[in-house]
Amino acid sequence: AQTVTQSQPEMSVQEAETVTLSCTYDTSENNYYLFWYKQPPSRQMILVIRQEAYKQQNATENRFSVNFQKAAKSFSLKISDSQLGDTAMYFCAFIPTGNQFYFGTGTSLTVIP
Amino acid sequence: EPEVTQTPSHQVTQMGQEVILRCVPISNHLYFYWYRQILGQKVEFLVSFYNNEISEKSEIFDDQFSVERPDGSNFTLKIRSTKLEDSAMYFCATQLDNGGNQPQHFGDGTRLSIL
Repeated sequence: AQTVTQSQPEMSVQEAETVTLSCTYDTSENNYYLFWYKQPPSRQMILVIRQEAYKQQNATENRFSVNFQKAAKSFSLKISDSQLGDTAMYFCAFIPTGNQFYFGTGTSLTVIP
Repeated sequence: EPEVTQTPSHQVTQMGQEVILRCVPISNHLYFYWYRQILGQKVEFLVSFYNNEISEKSEIFDDQFSVERPDGSNFTLKIRSTKLEDSAMYFCATQLDNGGNQPQHFGDGTRLSIL
C-alpha cells in the first residue's frame, strides 16, 4: 500500500525564521517522485518543490529545500526566511508508477508577523 | 503562466440532483485528473483520463460518477445523484505527459455543497 504521513497537523513560525515540515511515506517502489504542494486560503494547489527518488541531491527552490532520505522514506520541507505569504496548508505527495498522486493529510502553517 | 480553470467556484445542490463540474485544462496537456478533498481531510484521487478514456479510478469513483471531454476542451465530472457525503472541494488537475517528473497543475477547485 502507498501511504503518506504528515505528523504535524499545525505549525507556526515567526516571520523571517526557518521551519521544517515533516513527511514520511511508504512504498515498495524504487523509482518515484515526491512533491510538496501549497494550498493557501485561496484554495489553489500550488507546486512548491519536487524531488526525483533516483537523485541523491536534495532539491532546492529559492527559500524552499527538502531533506530527502530514501532509506528512511522521509521527505521534509524546509522553508527559510519565512514570509507572511507562506501561510497555507502544505501537502506532501508522491507518485509511484502510474499517474495517481498520493497525498498526506496536510500541515497548516501559520507565519506570525 | 497557463492555468487550469474550474467552474463554478461554488455549487449548491439538493441531494439527489445531478451536478456537472467543469475544467478547462492547460491547452497542450494530455492527462487529466479529478481529486476530492472533504473538509479537513486529505486530497483523494478520483480518476485519471487520457485519450478520451479513463486510465485509472479509485474506489470512490463509483457508478454515480462519470467523466468526459465532450468538445475537446472542457473536461467534466458528473455526479448523477448526489449524496450528502459528496460535499467536498473537487480539484481538476492536468499534466503535460505521462511522466512522474511532470507535475500536475491544479485548478482552484469547485466547492460542492449538498443540501
